[in-house]
Amino acid sequence: SQQGEEDPQALSIQEGENATMNCSYKTSINNLQWYRQNSGRGLVHLILIRSNEREKHSGRLRVTLDTSKKSSSLLITASRAADTASYFCATGLTGTASKLTFGTGTRLQVTL
Amino acid sequence: GAVVSQHPSRVICKSGTSVKIECRSLDFQATTMFWYRQFPKQSLMLMATSNEGSKATYEQGVEKDKFLINHASLTLSTLTVTSAHPEDSSFYICSARGINYGYTFGSGTRLTVV
Repeated sequence: SQQGEEDPQALSIQEGENATMNCSYKTSINNLQWYRQNSGRGLVHLILIRSNEREKHSGRLRVTLDTSKKSSSLLITASRAADTASYFCATGLTGTASKLTFGTGTRLQVTL
Repeated sequence: GAVVSQHPSRVICKSGTSVKIECRSLDFQATTMFWYRQFPKQSLMLMATSNEGSKATYEQGVEKDKFLINHASLTLSTLTVTSAHPEDSSFYICSARGINYGYTFGSGTRLTVV
């Protein structure tokens, strides 16, 4: 399986704190994407980072990519209760037409 | 922005019956659609990839005769779970991709087979 690993599997923090999630993958990639999933719902695209990029920002989100270590991290700053969700990384593989391979996910709980 | 509508959101069916799930791209032409299955508290597992007008490509271990996928138009793909069993109970999610459109996901279908 090409599926990536994410850690931690679960993370519980208080509102206002930062949340960091990590993703490791196994093969060469074209890009890596982060998605958010609220319980029982579909996925919402958060951010895409290409293999030639090292860091990207979008609002309170900061994503890094280290292709030498085959890893990425997602940082959510100043977390809010509404950030409670599962977060998945997904990789687009080099040479593969267009399918995404998802990581195992991190369940984030932000409490008041 | 791109919108994908998935219907139904929830369905309960009896063992042995078939269930059809629809995935529609509302404001763009989806050249490729993907069907995923997700078990509780687990990740998404790709079941198959379908291109408009051609047969779906199934991932290893996915029974093509059990999970029938049709992508007859650029805006509609369907997944039919045939002769459903309780172990087919799961959350099914579609995703659509078009020219100049990235991956857009439907809201998912919770299938319960009783």
